[in-house]
Amino acid sequence: ETGVTQTPRHLVMGMTNKKSLKCEQHLGHNAMYWYKQSAKKPLELMFVYSLEERVENNSVPSRFSPECPNSSHLFLHLHTLQPEDSALYLCASSQDGTGHTGELFFGEGSRLTVL
Amino acid sequence: AQTVTQSQPEMSVQEAETVTLSCTYDTSESDYYLFWYKQPPSRQMILVIRQEAYKQQNATENRFSVNFQKAAKSFSLKISDSQLGDAAMYFCAYYTGNQFYFGTGTSLTVIP
Repeated sequence: ETGVTQTPRHLVMGMTNKKSLKCEQHLGHNAMYWYKQSAKKPLELMFVYSLEERVENNSVPSRFSPECPNSSHLFLHLHTLQPEDSALYLCASSQDGTGHTGELFFGEGSRLTVL
Repeated sequence: AQTVTQSQPEMSVQEAETVTLSCTYDTSESDYYLFWYKQPPSRQMILVIRQEAYKQQNATENRFSVNFQKAAKSFSLKISDSQLGDAAMYFCAYYTGNQFYFGTGTSLTVIP
């Protein structure tokens, strides 16, 4: 496999459920991101991991919990979500450090619906 | 605050014609990058074109080119000879200091 892969592609959950989104990158990058994409809004950065350490969380509610066990894998653990959390969650990766030109490589996204 | 504005929520173009998508941004930085990303329906977002702010020459990638006006903080995307596969959401993005800022997107429809 190549690029950035996300699973599941679609997820429906109740407000009391606990689920996780998974992202895997095969590009040898050292930074990974979670973005939330809602209609008619700019992409919202949720979390950034660079060299497996979290460097940004942008005041995301604690019902979202990221995990980055290594530079190739990123998880987003979800619990007690609200209907307004329904959105497309995008994972991306990039090569951080000297010479970083800012290009992000995205997965196809996980479409989350909270009932 | 850093912001990116795409004033055209929707655009349409006839196949084989040319269309221009607009983007303006607000920043006090002098060193940054600008991007256009394309997101086809239910598919992953991919980079279309990139522009370094220190370069005066406008970037070009095949049928895609930009009009970068640094003083005006404007970064428009021109798509020439539009094809059906160009139909997608297009996002303008700005990058500086390890931070990305995205616009709200322009939905492009290509009419056969």
